[in-house]
Amino acid sequence: GAVVSQHPSWVICKSGTSVKIECRSLDFQATTMFWYRQFPKQSLMLMATSNEGSKATYEQGVEKDKFLINHASLTLSTLTVTSAHPEDSSFYICSARAPGGDGNTIYFGEGSWLTVV
Amino acid sequence: DAKTTQPTSMDCAEGRAANLPCNHSTISGNEYVYWYRQIHSQGPQYIIHGLKNNETNEMASLIITEDRKSSTLILPHATLRDTAVYYCIVRVANQAGTALIFGKGTTLSVSS
Repeated sequence: GAVVSQHPSWVICKSGTSVKIECRSLDFQATTMFWYRQFPKQSLMLMATSNEGSKATYEQGVEKDKFLINHASLTLSTLTVTSAHPEDSSFYICSARAPGGDGNTIYFGEGSWLTVV
Repeated sequence: DAKTTQPTSMDCAEGRAANLPCNHSTISGNEYVYWYRQIHSQGPQYIIHGLKNNETNEMASLIITEDRKSSTLILPHATLRDTAVYYCIVRVANQAGTALIFGKGTTLSVSS
């Protein structure tokens, strides 16, 4: 089946630095990808919708200047956490809708653990 | 998107069928029912989705009531590796820009 891959799987960064997380669709093109954040023992929370070639759409309460999203190609979206702080430590997950079938299957990446120290 | 209601937790004996219910009484005619599961510290895994008809794949079966107000995910022979949080989500079909919105899901515990 379609595969969505994230990199890195985990990252530790110092407070105040920026970190980039990549989301790739490995065997299909995705004009739209989605970014989620998940804190321990909580459900996934949608952060933003990443659109190829245009600006991302952010959910209410998500700072667009802090969580920079770039979707420069049909197979790659990146999430950059700028000036990271310990409260940004979380599990970040992306997803993309795959073509084929009825066109409504959405796959998720493996997730990226971010720890800010 | 319509909201869903799932039990917080369920238990199942290994080798038995696990039947996970989901209520989506306000579902619209163009909304699909999706099921995902999340094993600890991993991204959600796609299981199955359907619109009106029952669906079956190598992982599970999805039974949707005729009025579409509820559905049941069936894992025919649960194993210990099926222990996970299972999410039932409804989403408008054929809209690329529409994300899946997660609720709290059902924590399924499979024991030997």
